[in-house]
Amino acid sequence: DIQMTQSPSSLSASVGDRVTITCRASQSIDSYLNWYQQKPGKAPKLLIDTASSLQSGVPSRFSGSRSGTDFTLTISTLQPEDFATYYCQQSYNTPRTFGQGTKVEIK
Amino acid sequence: EVQLVESGGGLVQPGGSLRLSCAASGFTFSAYAMHWVRQAPGKGLEFVSAINYNGGRTYYANSVKGRFTISRDNSKNTLYLQMGSLRAEDMAVFYCARESYDTSGKNDYWGQGTLVTVAS
Repeated sequence: DIQMTQSPSSLSASVGDRVTITCRASQSIDSYLNWYQQKPGKAPKLLIDTASSLQSGVPSRFSGSRSGTDFTLTISTLQPEDFATYYCQQSYNTPRTFGQGTKVEIK
Repeated sequence: EVQLVESGGGLVQPGGSLRLSCAASGFTFSAYAMHWVRQAPGKGLEFVSAINYNGGRTYYANSVKGRFTISRDNSKNTLYLQMGSLRAEDMAVFYCARESYDTSGKNDYWGQGTLVTVAS
């Protein structure tokens, strides 16, 4: 199975900060990398697919990028509604695997 | 509007069985692969199982292989997960999720989840 290593596991940030979350795949997954946001008690919500394609309705402050097997989710200007847990997921093959999650907390 | 509604969760004893259902609406269910993903209390997301559009191919996480069976009834727009030999570590919220029709493989829609509690 492909291992997805996500970092950091948590971070504290203030409204207006720039936040970066990283996910590294254990092997090449091309650009088959998706990012999800999950708020407490809710289902995950798809933010970005294929490394950098923003889903319809997702604010443009969210962006994704790829460098080899390293992937990054960036929130350019953190908003109050962005405090949540973020997961990466590889969809290169099955079983799909997720990163461990990054909890973005209020500083 | 795409909707996925899970049901069938509840309290079950270790070693017991449970069948989860996921009722789909708002899209052509028979055209889409479907997934089950679970989340143990306070933990991250874990792929459980997937099935292709017509049920001809199924996939399982190693942790559930041989104990869980995924299936679908396209005439009823419903996805199932039959779970057996349940263990304490299977306790989780189980989500069904649609796999996007494009080649990205993403899970574009998720249900609200159903809680499975394994305890004596």
